[in-house]
Amino acid sequence: AQSVTQLGSHVPVSEGALVLLRCNYSSSVPPYLFWYVQYPNQGLQLLLKYTSAATLVKGINGFEAEFKKSETSFHLTKPSAHMSDAAEYFCAVSIGGSQGNLIFGKGTKLSVKP
Amino acid sequence: KAGVTQTPRYLIKTRGQQVTLSCSPISGHRSVSWYQQTPGQGLQFLFEYFSETQRNKGNFPGRFSGRQFSNSRSEMNVSTLELGDSALYLCASSLGTGNTIYFGEGSWLTVV
Repeated sequence: AQSVTQLGSHVPVSEGALVLLRCNYSSSVPPYLFWYVQYPNQGLQLLLKYTSAATLVKGINGFEAEFKKSETSFHLTKPSAHMSDAAEYFCAVSIGGSQGNLIFGKGTKLSVKP
Repeated sequence: KAGVTQTPRYLIKTRGQQVTLSCSPISGHRSVSWYQQTPGQGLQFLFEYFSETQRNKGNFPGRFSGRQFSNSRSEMNVSTLELGDSALYLCASSLGTGNTIYFGEGSWLTVV
């Protein structure tokens, strides 16, 4: 069965610092992996997705993630944090490639200090 | 192009009542899925519809049901509401399998 673990429910960073949000997955089949962002009182917005093409995936707002099969990881990074990046981030894996049926991690709240 | 629209945005219901939430997908999208988000359980998949047929169902009791109409609009219903049903209910739509899904802003349900 597929599952997703996000390490760290809260990650504080300083503006301009590296952002690293960790995600490990468990899947019995090649996974499709996603990162979503949720701003307060809003729905989810797709940041990027991995669908078995390039292992380094670039997304919106300067974020990228690298799929590492040997480590079963899909960590999200951004070289320089901006105040507007403060939000909750969710890693997700899909079942059978169907993006309509996603298993989400518990989420990581990113706070950015000036 | 309009996004996924969910109504109502906020509602308060009493235990034992039932509630119906509505979702209008992006024009042309035939797949609609529903998720429940709570602080304790996080985001959990409820069900997915494609062309009026339920394709997948999450692990929720039978009090939770849904349907999709011929114009792809979808509704979900929760009967005999419990306090634990208080949550943000998110709807998402896509063109179909393999395509990106887009989320609405959700319906906030409070059960008192």
